[in-house]
Amino acid sequence: SQTIHQWPATLVQPVGSPLSLECTVEGTSNPNLYWYRQAAGRGLQLLFYSVGIGQISSEVPQNLSASRPQDRQFILSSKKLLLSDSGFYLCAWSAQGGYGYTFGSGTRLTVV
Amino acid sequence: GESVGLHLPTLSVQEGDNSIINCAYSNSASDYFIWYKQESGKGPQFIIDIRSNMDKRQGQRVTVLLNKTVKHLSLQIAATQPGDSAVYFCAENAAGNKLTFGGGTRVLVKP
Repeated sequence: SQTIHQWPATLVQPVGSPLSLECTVEGTSNPNLYWYRQAAGRGLQLLFYSVGIGQISSEVPQNLSASRPQDRQFILSSKKLLLSDSGFYLCAWSAQGGYGYTFGSGTRLTVV
Repeated sequence: GESVGLHLPTLSVQEGDNSIINCAYSNSASDYFIWYKQESGKGPQFIIDIRSNMDKRQGQRVTVLLNKTVKHLSLQIAATQPGDSAVYFCAENAAGNKLTFGGGTRVLVKP
């Protein structure tokens, strides 16, 4: 069966520090991968999605970047965090040609 | 751009009663809809989905209704239980494989 792993679960980082969040999927090949951000008590905002290795589409201009170095690995990064980067970050995957997403357990990022 | 929205941000329901969560969508090209449940501090979990060629689909204690005429989606939860307390999101797929999510409705189950 397919599983999605996301880590760390929580992270407290100072303003100006770098960020690296990792997401991996098991049990499937060539998945579509997504990074979402959720502000406290709010909905889901799509940040990046990828349909293949090295293929990244950005949905909103921001202080973050994404990379997909391997088929089932998706990384969210920042060179210098801002206070406004705080939030709940969710990784998700879907099958090529499929519609439903499966979400990871999320990373709670607090920038202080 | 087109978006999915919700009518009620918070829904309080008595334990044992039925819950109805509503969602309006604006993209008539959407052909697939999903309801997710998100408990505090966790990622959203799939509840039920429906394709645009259907108007009703039932799962275990949940029913999704789709009215394409008025672009309306609803989730019905039968005999609501304390474990149903969560935020519920509707989502639509209109282009490729990118889901557009609504703002969410918080369901609070009162004992």
